[in-house]
Amino acid sequence: QQQVKQSPQSLIVQKGGISIINCAYENTAFDYFPWYQQFPGKGPALLIAIRPDVSEKKEGRFTISFNKSAKQFSLHIMDSQPGDSATYFCAASRPPLSRLTFGEGTQLTVNP
Amino acid sequence: EPEVTQTPSHQVTQMGQEVILRCVPISNHLYFYWYRQILGQKVEFLVSFYNNEISEKSEIFDDQFSVERPDGSNFTLKIRSTKLEDSAMYFCAGGHHGAFFGQGTRLTVV
Repeated sequence: QQQVKQSPQSLIVQKGGISIINCAYENTAFDYFPWYQQFPGKGPALLIAIRPDVSEKKEGRFTISFNKSAKQFSLHIMDSQPGDSATYFCAASRPPLSRLTFGEGTQLTVNP
Repeated sequence: EPEVTQTPSHQVTQMGQEVILRCVPISNHLYFYWYRQILGQKVEFLVSFYNNEISEKSEIFDDQFSVERPDGSNFTLKIRSTKLEDSAMYFCAGGHHGAFFGQGTRLTVV
């Protein structure tokens, strides 16, 4: 019940296209859902996060869509750029503990 | 300047040796976490530290692991007797929900 399932494992998108990464969870006690971006040899960097009281959050080219009834959330990267090529992890945490449970990761490649 | 700085960036150690990984937060975070990432796999939670005490630990965090905040600023993870399977990237994170990850320490046990 603590798992977060992420798909796809890898994704190739053309420059200017939309990248979509999906995550699903089981534990309804999760109340915080961040996305992290990780470049090779670097630590994960917080990209954007959402709480279940909203269905969508947008920051620049990055949007999280959240479907509470389906227990799913997704990351949309609009106008994808080669510089977006990285591994993306979804995660979730629940109160009162704030540990993150990570998904398996998606390796995104944006071709020029 | 990064919020969290980790040292060393790479550590090679003999199996059975003790290692200490260090983390220095820039801001005054109350929450700290250690995570590890085996090459090519997902990030796994090890332990959380709040208000100078362990608040939660995972099943990975067994008796060979310990955490300390020896001087109120540095935050350390000690692995007492390393095994080959401890080879991984170890990340320190600060801030609530671990918003700020360090660059990691690559631990290689040979």
